[in-house]
Amino acid sequence: GENVEQHPSTLSVQEGDSAVIKCTYSDSASNYFPWYKQELGKRPQLIIDIRSNVGEKKDQRIAVTLNKTAKHFSLHITETQPEDSAVYFCAASPSGNTGKLIFGQGTTLQVKP
Amino acid sequence: EPEVTQTPSHQVTQMGQEVILRCVPISNHLYFYWYRQILGQKVEFLVSFYNNEISEKSEIFDDQFSVERPDGSNFTLKIRSTKLEDSAMYFCASSELGSIREQYFGPGTRLTVT
Repeated sequence: GENVEQHPSTLSVQEGDSAVIKCTYSDSASNYFPWYKQELGKRPQLIIDIRSNVGEKKDQRIAVTLNKTAKHFSLHITETQPEDSAVYFCAASPSGNTGKLIFGQGTTLQVKP
Repeated sequence: EPEVTQTPSHQVTQMGQEVILRCVPISNHLYFYWYRQILGQKVEFLVSFYNNEISEKSEIFDDQFSVERPDGSNFTLKIRSTKLEDSAMYFCASSELGSIREQYFGPGTRLTVT
């Protein structure tokens, strides 16, 4: 069935370092890949997304890359800051037009000052 | 900036009772969703809703669950007879269109079944 695997489950970096979170998906027809940031007790917030016709997208310190052949996409955060500390979820929208999102298991990112 | 809102923020109920979770999606959005997140786990899709009918539902969304858009603004999730394992955070989300459009999440309702 549809599945999204996310690694690592936890990631600790020093302030200013880069962080990379990786996801793989099973449905090759998936066409939309958002990333959500969830702070403790808060709602998931969309931070960046990429569509299947694009290989890379950047928004200030955040970038996402997509490799459709390998069914793999990644989130890159550069110059990390303590306020980047949160749980990050990747998701994929499988084929069909219902908008359903399949989420990965989440990565807890800790940025140490 | 418009946001999805949900009420109540926390609901405690006894096993076997019915609960209704309420959501007000962003006003010009056409697709609505419910997701749940068991404590410490990933977000799981429950159901998508468009044009006053369910467009897709997951295996979790069994006969005990139902959704409704009773008026032009609210979107509700009903659980008819709650079980202990229904305890979770329930998120409503909405998007302008269903396909390849950003989904915006509400703050969630924490449901505790005792």
